[in-house]
Amino acid sequence: AQKITQTQPGMFVQEKEAVTLDCTYDTSDQSYGLFWYKQPSSGEMIFLIYQGSYDEQNATEGRYSLNFQKARKSANLVISASQLGDSAMYFCAMREGDSGTYKYIFGTGTRLKVLA
Amino acid sequence: NAGVTQTPKFQVLKTGQSMTLQCAQDMNHEYMSWYRQDPGMGLRLIHYSVGAGITDQGEVPNGYNVSRSTTEDFPLRLLSAAPSQTSVYFCASSYSSEGNTEAFFGQGTRLTVV
Repeated sequence: AQKITQTQPGMFVQEKEAVTLDCTYDTSDQSYGLFWYKQPSSGEMIFLIYQGSYDEQNATEGRYSLNFQKARKSANLVISASQLGDSAMYFCAMREGDSGTYKYIFGTGTRLKVLA
Repeated sequence: NAGVTQTPKFQVLKTGQSMTLQCAQDMNHEYMSWYRQDPGMGLRLIHYSVGAGITDQGEVPNGYNVSRSTTEDFPLRLLSAAPSQTSVYFCASSYSSEGNTEAFFGQGTRLTVV
């Protein structure tokens, strides 16, 4: 069963507008972490934001925030005030903690294009 | 600060050849892993290690071997390359085996098997 689902293969957003990238996850662990990474066209993987399963507040990092809805098992990334440099591939990932393996599982990604 | 270093950055192999993709980190991370990235498939876990001498299979381990003799190094061996192994390979490491630490990635190796 797919553990991380990103249902938006591609998204467009106008510069300076906000955009939400969807991510749902599936786990039976009580302890887990959720991550978002950015992959620009140059290919490197850039860590953006983290949310722990026990964190009660949504994580924020500058223009990035994570809309964490535990009951719905969703961890959507919100980018505010989009910039042209935000055009990239975005990956949602989960790391389960209870099993002891601590593997990172990634979704298939969402390609975001910011329009001028 | 080198971080995670992968070599080579590009490689072309003929079907049936073997090779080793190198990965080294200088952050004293316990956890290391290898992924392959294919269009529309995201990053799929090949093998991972939670410490020196300990390795385990991920989602797509067939055709690949790993070993972890030191904390710093985690090489990935392709035993007999096949065109289906054409992909971009990423090595990643993290500080601990706890859930709240992000993975640090190498720059990737673009492998083409002809």
